[in-house]
Amino acid sequence: QVQLQESGPGLAKPSETLSLSCTVSGYSISSGYYWGWLRQPPGKGPEWIGSMHHNGNSYYNPSLKSRVTISLDTSKNQISLKLSSVTAADTAIYYCARDACTGGRCDYMDVWGKGTTVTVSS
Amino acid sequence: DIVMTQSPDSLAVSLGERATINCKSSQSVLYSSNNKNYLAWYQQKPGQPPKLLIYWASTRESGVPDRFSGSGSGTDFTLTISSLQAEDVAVYYCQQYYDTPLTFGPGTKVDIK
Repeated sequence: QVQLQESGPGLAKPSETLSLSCTVSGYSISSGYYWGWLRQPPGKGPEWIGSMHHNGNSYYNPSLKSRVTISLDTSKNQISLKLSSVTAADTAIYYCARDACTGGRCDYMDVWGKGTTVTVSS
Repeated sequence: DIVMTQSPDSLAVSLGERATINCKSSQSVLYSSNNKNYLAWYQQKPGQPPKLLIYWASTRESGVPDRFSGSGSGTDFTLTISSLQAEDVAVYYCQQYYDTPLTFGPGTKVDIK
């Protein structure tokens, strides 16, 4: 059974770079699938941040693209997210998730981590 | 971006009764070459991540009870819970994957009357 677990600091200061990790268990990320990050501000719907495949293909939400880097570490079976120049508007629960299709992009997510709460405040 | 809207914002339904949630996209999410609607539905319970219920507008994810059904095409979609159970209390989101950025609706909260 595939499980995803996000980790990272719960608090970030404005203008800093936020770094989060997602550890995947029960499946090797180098075997396939796109892996993505999404976030959910309090009381709102999820927002897709971006997705990446182990072959290097990646795609991002244009609204965040200039500040986002997603990377895969196959040796650790982890997916990482870096978000630069954070502001209070980046306060949210951050989720990693798996794209539902193994043969390519589906762009809907069938496995989600439990999420990690990030607050941006000085 | 394709904007997703949902109605109502919330609804309360008696146990065993039908619940109907509507989702509308700002442009069609029907891909003509394969006649598929690029629309998914998720259920989110408090303190939990979203759970995939339905994709391609009407295909139930494995393990999802058959009281959940999706319908619609083009820009207008519906999620129906045919007989509401206590465990169905949650917020429901639609998501389009016709184009990037992938976008979600604001959610509909379902409660017991």
